[in-house]
Amino acid sequence: GNSVTQMEGPVTLSEEAFLTINCTYTATGYPSLFWYVQYPGEGLQLLLKATKADDKGSNKGFEATYRKETTSFHLEKGSVQVSDSAVYFCAPTPGAGSYQLTFGKGTKLSVIP
Amino acid sequence: SAVISQKPSRDICQRGTSLTIQCQVDSQVTMMFWYRQQPGQSLTLIATANQGSEATYESGFVIDKFPISRPNLTFSTLTVSNMSPEDSSIYLCSVVGGITDTQYFGPGTRLTVL
Repeated sequence: GNSVTQMEGPVTLSEEAFLTINCTYTATGYPSLFWYVQYPGEGLQLLLKATKADDKGSNKGFEATYRKETTSFHLEKGSVQVSDSAVYFCAPTPGAGSYQLTFGKGTKLSVIP
Repeated sequence: SAVISQKPSRDICQRGTSLTIQCQVDSQVTMMFWYRQQPGQSLTLIATANQGSEATYESGFVIDKFPISRPNLTFSTLTVSNMSPEDSSIYLCSVVGGITDTQYFGPGTRLTVL
């Protein structure tokens, strides 16, 4: 089955700082890779995704590239804002037609003015 | 993406009682799932809700504790039975629809058991 290792938090950054949240996964097939975000007191929202090797997912200034050779899907943003404060979850599927997500432990990001 | 609603959005319940959570989608979807998010934790898959048949439960979750129904392609319920304080969590439904493999999540039900 799948497993995912996500950078431990919490992470505290100043506004306009560069963000990287590392995520590596194991999968026996060809997974799709997702980042979800959970803002305080809210449910999960899809942030971005990539479905095959070398694909780059992007949304709201965030980017992540599907690196099959390193089995990684690191989340990056060049300049964070206070409104980016949230918990970020990396989640692969097993691939091969299975939709079940395996969630990382989550990384809590706090951005201070 | 599908619009997903859950009822109730939150509830406070007494030990030993049961609560049924509803998940409604605005379009027909292929798959529906139920997750639990314990305080400060990540999401754990409880089960896959199968339309017209018994749900498929993950290890550590059983039908007697978490009965699930899915009578059609747009609606599912999760019941948390004989609740204890350890059941205090956020319960989320998610859906996969059409040709995409992307899961979209409902807003969650925040349950507190006293």
